Amino acid sequence: DAGVIQSPRHEVTEMGQEVTLRCKPISGHNSLFWYRQTMMRGLELLIYFNNNVPIDDSGMPEDRFSAKMPNASFSTLKIQPSEPRDSAVYFCASSLGQGARTGELFFGEGSRLTVL
Amino acid sequence: AQSVTQPDIHITVSEGASLELRCNYSYGATPYLFWYVQSPGQGLQLLLKYFSGDTLVQGIKGFEAEFKRSQSSFNLRKPSVHWSDAAEYFCAVALVGEKLTFGTGTRLTIIP
Repeated sequence: DAGVIQSPRHEVTEMGQEVTLRCKPISGHNSLFWYRQTMMRGLELLIYFNNNVPIDDSGMPEDRFSAKMPNASFSTLKIQPSEPRDSAVYFCASSLGQGARTGELFFGEGSRLTVL
Repeated sequence: AQSVTQPDIHITVSEGASLELRCNYSYGATPYLFWYVQSPGQGLQLLLKYFSGDTLVQGIKGFEAEFKRSQSSFNLRKPSVHWSDAAEYFCAVALVGEKLTFGTGTRLTIIP
């Protein structure tokens, strides 16, 4: 069975460029999460969708970050313009159900972003 | 303020030895409790979870965790570690209907 699929796995870009990260959740899952992981801040929830609707985007750092989920099988996280401090591993995760009730998030392998 | 704490940043254990990773939480009510594992270069995988009932929870890969309400703890244990257990371990908590909050993680190193 296919898990959560993220692309690209690695991205190196220059400051000021636009970055788009992509995620395909597990089929049938109705919640999707974007996390950012850094050494300094650990795992941070950026945004959470349920049934394609953004439920909580309080973790989105600033207006340079945006996320969309146009349908149940695809989501994007966009950074425009990118800055060196955005360098991190970005994880997408999906789950069946809303909130923490099921508790089991299925994570993708992450997209490692380096902004020079 | 609500928080989850993993006091040990890094633990080194000999292969075959027992393991206990600590997790403490500070919430007004008993939250849902989880342990996740992250192998190098991978995403996180759920090891086990506690919602209610029996306070000793069994998970995958031979792990177990015990919920202790009086200590606000949910420590992860394994009787005998294998080299493949080397990874980062995250405790996570959430109140009903709310998002997961992850601890800062404990990196486990296994020595032969």
